Amino acid sequence: NAGVTQTPKFRILKIGQSMTLQCTQDMNHNYMYWYRQDPGMGLKLIYYSVGAGITDKGEVPNGYNVSRSTTEDFPLRLELAAPSQTSVYFCASSQRQGDGYTFGSGTRLTVV
Amino acid sequence: GQQLNQSPQSMFIQEGEDVSMNCTSSSIFNTWLWYKQDPGEGPVLLIALYKAGELTSNGRLTAQFGITRKDSFLNISASIPSDVGIYFCAGLDRGSTLGRLYFGRGTQLTVWP
Repeated sequence: NAGVTQTPKFRILKIGQSMTLQCTQDMNHNYMYWYRQDPGMGLKLIYYSVGAGITDKGEVPNGYNVSRSTTEDFPLRLELAAPSQTSVYFCASSQRQGDGYTFGSGTRLTVV
Repeated sequence: GQQLNQSPQSMFIQEGEDVSMNCTSSSIFNTWLWYKQDPGEGPVLLIALYKAGELTSNGRLTAQFGITRKDSFLNISASIPSDVGIYFCAGLDRGSTLGRLYFGRGTQLTVWP
């Protein structure tokens, strides 16, 4: 079982560049989430989705966009990278409310 | 959003010692979860608690869902070097209809051999 797969694992971007962080899950989970993790700050929710075609903002959505065209995929888009977006990004999924999340192994992004 | 206060922020202990950490919230949760994150990896679920007062074990780990529904505790007995990592508590708001968890800031555990 692959679970939640994130690509790439590492990326360096220049200020103003754009990129898409990929996330796919093979567990047929309805709920998917994007978090960012900064040292000592825990996990902050960026966007989430409760099913294909439905997305909503989390705590820190500014500078990001998402789409959910299929159950499996939930890409995160950065349009104009800024140094403040240097972080580790985690995608996660769950089947139902109250279930524990399954996390991907993360994407470490540096914006210079 | 919900505020979860997790303490301590970090712990430095010797192999074989027991560890305790806790998490409190300003409002009621109906689910508490504990995760562990190894360096360079995503968090992995350790224990899930669904009922006030519930005490659940997973090997050397024991977690409890507080009676008030506003807190949870995690204990690790006889720590070993592979226990090193960041431990996160997470709670599900009973008012949430969207399956969103709220996370504490984590407890960084270092175990000296």
